[in-house]
Amino acid sequence: GAVVSQHPSRVICKSGTSVKIECRSLDFQATTMFWYRQFPKKSLMLMATSNEGSKATYEQGVEKDKFLINHASLTLSTLTVTSAHPEDSSFYICSARDRGFGELFFGEGSRLTVL
Amino acid sequence: QQPVQSPQAVILREGEDAVINCSSSKALYSVHWYRQKHGEAPVFLMILLKGGEQKGHEKISASFNEKKQQSSLYLTASQLSYSGTYFCGTETGNTGKLIFGQGTTLQVKP
Repeated sequence: GAVVSQHPSRVICKSGTSVKIECRSLDFQATTMFWYRQFPKKSLMLMATSNEGSKATYEQGVEKDKFLINHASLTLSTLTVTSAHPEDSSFYICSARDRGFGELFFGEGSRLTVL
Repeated sequence: QQPVQSPQAVILREGEDAVINCSSSKALYSVHWYRQKHGEAPVFLMILLKGGEQKGHEKISASFNEKKQQSSLYLTASQLSYSGTYFCGTETGNTGKLIFGQGTTLQVKP
């Protein structure tokens, strides 16, 4: 079945640094990918829709300059958390859909801890 | 906009049944159900498309009432492995953009 992979699975960084998280569709092409964040014991909150070859669409309240999304190819989207602060510590998960309909496949998630 | 799940938490004994509900105020194209274990990514259970269908997967099944914009997840003869947090995700069109409910925590005890 379709697989979505994220890297890294865990990252710890110092406040003020930037962190890049990769989301890859391993056996299908995804023109659209989605980025979610999840705080402990909370639901998954959609952050943005990543569109291959064009700008990402951000949900209301999500800072686009803070969370940079690049979808440079049909199999890779990246989320860069810029100038990270402790409040950015969270579980970031991406998802993608094969063939444009049906099941959405989630990556394994990336746990970011900002010290 | 976020769908509402009920109940918020359920505690069961092995072998007991449970129903988790998901309700939206918007017209829905599909409802997706996921189970998440602590520290892990959500695991897909099933998807229901508008049309009022019901789906089954071993002892886990679900229904979707398009007119009421409601979906229910049925867990029968629960097993310890069913423990986790269940989320419904809703689509208002074929966009792939899921909006998740707040989750229902299920704990199955021996």
